[in-house]
Amino acid sequence: DSGVTQTPKHLITATGQRVTLRCSPRSGDLSVYWYQQSLDQGLQFLIHYYNGEERAKGNILERFSAQQFPDLHSELNLSSLELGDSALYFCASSLDRPDTQYFGPGTRLTVL
Amino acid sequence: GQQVMQIPQYQHVQEGEDFTTYCNSSTTLSNIQWYKQRPGGHPVFLIQLVKSGEVKKQKRLTFQFGEAKKNSSLHITATQTTDVGTYFCARYTGGFKTIFGAGTRLFVKA
Repeated sequence: DSGVTQTPKHLITATGQRVTLRCSPRSGDLSVYWYQQSLDQGLQFLIHYYNGEERAKGNILERFSAQQFPDLHSELNLSSLELGDSALYFCASSLDRPDTQYFGPGTRLTVL
Repeated sequence: GQQVMQIPQYQHVQEGEDFTTYCNSSTTLSNIQWYKQRPGGHPVFLIQLVKSGEVKKQKRLTFQFGEAKKNSSLHITATQTTDVGTYFCARYTGGFKTIFGAGTRLFVKA
């Protein structure tokens, strides 16, 4: 158990819909990262938040947005969903720098 | 420029054989991390290397960082079925981004 929690574990929805994925970092960690992992693919970095502020953006689509709240939990919002958005979405946390990241169990999103 | 290339993509070994995965970059790396992801699981941090020529060991796993800091390797001695999974290298770019390699998927036959 990494100490990072993600909800929901599974999500099935239809094209065009909007979903919100939630992540709670390890106690004391200020940084939260979001990754997308498509089937048999590597980890694509989406976005990094530190203590409520966006720190870095990766290959995140404009239909996707994220935020980190004062209690340090984070939400990833995916809108106008397409079939290709079906993937595992991981959240990770670290104290500060992303050199040691602790990953949550992931949310498996299926878009039908 | 910022990508890290990992080879091989897949490796099938007989239990007891050794296994090595390589991570290469065209630019000098300030650091390299290694993660393991079991089938159906999430990535788990294994180690970070930061010094030129650094070698670190964790039981049967040996991690190396090249002298030029452009490559790294993970070597597993005498693989076991518990070693099955995908091994990723990753680099922290300093721009607060983490770039993961595509991973090497290890299959171990008992």
